[in-house]
Amino acid sequence: DAGVTQSPTHLIKTRGQQVTLRCSPKSGHDTVSWYQQALGQGPQFIFQYYEEEERQRGNFPDRFSGHQFPNYSSELNVNALLLGDSALYLCASSFRQDQSPLHFGNGTRLTVT
Amino acid sequence: RKEVEQDPGPFNVPEGATVAFNCTYSNSASQSFFWYRQDCRKEPKLLMSVYSSGNEDGRFTAQLNRASQYISLLIRDSKLSDSATYLCVANRYGQNFVFGPGTRLSVLP
Repeated sequence: DAGVTQSPTHLIKTRGQQVTLRCSPKSGHDTVSWYQQALGQGPQFIFQYYEEEERQRGNFPDRFSGHQFPNYSSELNVNALLLGDSALYLCASSFRQDQSPLHFGNGTRLTVT
Repeated sequence: RKEVEQDPGPFNVPEGATVAFNCTYSNSASQSFFWYRQDCRKEPKLLMSVYSSGNEDGRFTAQLNRASQYISLLIRDSKLSDSATYLCVANRYGQNFVFGPGTRLSVLP
């Protein structure tokens, strides 16, 4: 039973560049949520995708965008990177939008220099 | 005020000690609650769900007080392997899961 997989594991980018992070949900899950976690803080909700549409969005600028594909996998895109975007980006999957617990991938550690 | 707040910690306790973590949530519409454990530089992993009647899983006991909007986690007989950050989570149906900032626990030999 495949869990949530994310790629890449680590990434180093320069200010102003763009980045794409990828996520495959756990088998049987159809909803993908993305979180940003800065050092020493709890995960902050970026957005959630269900049925290939963004269903909810947290307090993040439009530089953060995403997509969900028919196979439920998802991408997170960040444009015009800022130093403050350096963080661990976590993808979590669940079944529908119900209240079952989230299952997280290993995360992508993004460093912006 | 943050939607989910936790004791900032860190908690440094000896092996075998009992330790309790507190969490409060501000949105009274929250319906489901969880505790996650996060090891250093790893992803959060579900520790346990929290039910209104309280629930226990081995050395771990979770309590929910809806009237006070308060959640707790009790760890008995602490092990070195319990050292981690514990994240409190609240969720409303159809809404995103809101994480607290986490409480760091170090169990000392």
